[in-house]
Amino acid sequence: DVKVTQSSRYLVKRTGEKVFLECVQDMDHENMFWYRQDPGLGLRLIYFSYDVKMKEKGDIPEGYSVSREKKERFSLILESASTNQTSMYLCASSFWDIPRAFFGQGTRLTVV
Amino acid sequence: QKEVEQDPGPLSVPEGAIVSLNCTYSNSAFQYFMWYRQYSRKGPELLMYTYSSGNKEDGRFTAQVDKSSKYISLFIRDSQPSDSATYLCAISYSGGGADGLTFGKGTHLIIQP
Repeated sequence: DVKVTQSSRYLVKRTGEKVFLECVQDMDHENMFWYRQDPGLGLRLIYFSYDVKMKEKGDIPEGYSVSREKKERFSLILESASTNQTSMYLCASSFWDIPRAFFGQGTRLTVV
Repeated sequence: QKEVEQDPGPLSVPEGAIVSLNCTYSNSAFQYFMWYRQYSRKGPELLMYTYSSGNKEDGRFTAQVDKSSKYISLFIRDSQPSDSATYLCAISYSGGGADGLTFGKGTHLIIQP
């Protein structure tokens, strides 16, 4: 089975902190994604990566950055956390040519 | 007009009923269609994956795509309380590339014992 693992299930951070969310996949997928999910807004794409060191902005990249130094690992960085970044963050991965994405269990981030 | 429309529900049905969940989309270029199930406080789990028009069956689940109407459906037969979850449709333009998936907002389904 495909396994996408996010480093934390729940996080509480203070406003202004730099926050790192880590994601690891074990299926040698080329593509990796970060989404956030909010009630009434659904899933929104923050960033995606199709190869090591490659990244593309999604629909809502403001306030976020990403890092992909190894194929299996994709990190989401909140440069200076704000309360409006309180959300469920979901990492996903897929093969380059098959848009069948597999998700991690999610990280519930609360910024206070 | 949003790219993918999905009724948020909640949709409440008795155990054993046939459930029909639907999405409409606006862009005829979409070719890949998926259904995800998401339990509360968990990540989405891929249920069905189809390419182009037609039906695909997996156990109690049937996915149907009508590209001429830009309409996709998920049918659940003999529904169980364990099927209670949010169901998300997702679509993609092509099999190549990393443009991500476009998701519906999800339908909250409740199966009453």
